[in-house]
Amino acid sequence: GQQVQQSPASLVLQEGENAELQCNFSTSLNSMQWFYQRPEGSLVSLFYNPSGTKQSGRLTSTTVIKERRSSLHISSSQITDSGTYLCAMERRDRGSALGRLHFGAGTQLIVIP
Amino acid sequence: GPKVLQIPSHQIIDMGQMVTLNCDPVSNHLYFYWYKQILGQQMEFLVNFYNGKVMEKSKLFKDQFSVERPDGSYFTLKIQPTALEDSAVYFCASSLVGGGYAEQFFGPGTRLTVL
Repeated sequence: GQQVQQSPASLVLQEGENAELQCNFSTSLNSMQWFYQRPEGSLVSLFYNPSGTKQSGRLTSTTVIKERRSSLHISSSQITDSGTYLCAMERRDRGSALGRLHFGAGTQLIVIP
Repeated sequence: GPKVLQIPSHQIIDMGQMVTLNCDPVSNHLYFYWYKQILGQQMEFLVNFYNGKVMEKSKLFKDQFSVERPDGSYFTLKIQPTALEDSAVYFCASSLVGGGYAEQFFGPGTRLTVL
């Protein structure tokens, strides 16, 4: 089954609204990352956030390891925020190999004027 | 920030031919990865590589796939022979350490089209 569940699958916002994207994990995790995938496919790294809260501009990521979840908050959304947001995690397994990331299916965000 | 480069950005080849995708990882990184994303689908792990060896590979890493990094040059993914289902964007990544204790930095991807 899916080890990384992202919600919502898609989201439409009016410019200026806030968004909360969720990522839930079915296993314990060592680390997780958030990415923005541009419409043409390239990836932009947003956060490497194994635990706690990190902020960068209008973006805030919070990872709660005990609850196996991470969130990405976008404040005052802009049209240029439109695209796909991916979360990815590395599982905490005994003897786990070195750094395999499991990706979610993504949240497609559309910001309209 | 640190940059991973991938060459070429696009490659179109006929089914059955060989293709080599090249990755120039961050200079002091020691762990290297390939991921595959079929159009409209989820990003999937293919393989990771450390100290000249494959550490883990997924079911998607078929026998026709191989990776190497000769003498600290490009980290390469070779597919020989290619099949139609190999059409996808291939992303290379690198990290300073493994085990999830360091961020993975991703390249821009190589879009492979197999005809």
